[in-house]
Amino acid sequence: AQSVTQLDSHVSVSEGTPVLLRCNYSSSYSPSLFWYVQHPNKGLQLLLKYTSAATLVKGINGFEAEFKKSETSFHLTKPSAHMSDAAEYFCVVMGTGGGNKLTFGTGTQLKVEL
Amino acid sequence: DSGVTQTPKHLITATGQRVTLRCSPRSGDLSVYWYQQSLDQGLQFLIQYYNGEERAKGNILERFSAQQFPDLHSELNLSSLELGDSALYFCASSTGVSTEAFFGQGTRLTVV
Repeated sequence: AQSVTQLDSHVSVSEGTPVLLRCNYSSSYSPSLFWYVQHPNKGLQLLLKYTSAATLVKGINGFEAEFKKSETSFHLTKPSAHMSDAAEYFCVVMGTGGGNKLTFGTGTQLKVEL
Repeated sequence: DSGVTQTPKHLITATGQRVTLRCSPRSGDLSVYWYQQSLDQGLQFLIQYYNGEERAKGNILERFSAQQFPDLHSELNLSSLELGDSALYFCASSTGVSTEAFFGQGTRLTVV
């Protein structure tokens, strides 16, 4: 079975500094991986997806993630944090075989300070 | 706006009662998924339908059931409600069975 582990439950950065949210995955095959963001009292929004094409994936709002098979990682980065980036971020792996349920990580709460 | 519509946005009900949550997928999407988000369990997959048929099942309780209708909207029925069923219930849709999912705003269920 596939799974993802988000290594930090909380990350705090200053506005204008880089963001790094870490995610490791476990899968017996080449996985489809996603990052979703959830702002307070909002639904889940897809930030970006990896589906075995380019290993560096660009998403919305300046976010990107790099798929590293050797490290089984899919870390999310942004060069410069903005106050509006404060939210909860979920790393997600898609299953196969009889459906494509999404398995969510436990989430990383990103705090952006002035 | 993801294009996935969930109603109602909020629901407060008493223990033992039954409620129905409704989801309208994005236009053209054939797959519908239901997820439960709670503080202690995180985001848990409940069930998936594809073009009216159940496709995958997750940690869905026997007290819960779902269906997808010919017009592709879906309903999640929760019965004999307990306090622990209080959670945010999300519906998501996708075009096929191996494509990214788009989530609705959720229905916040409070059982008192």
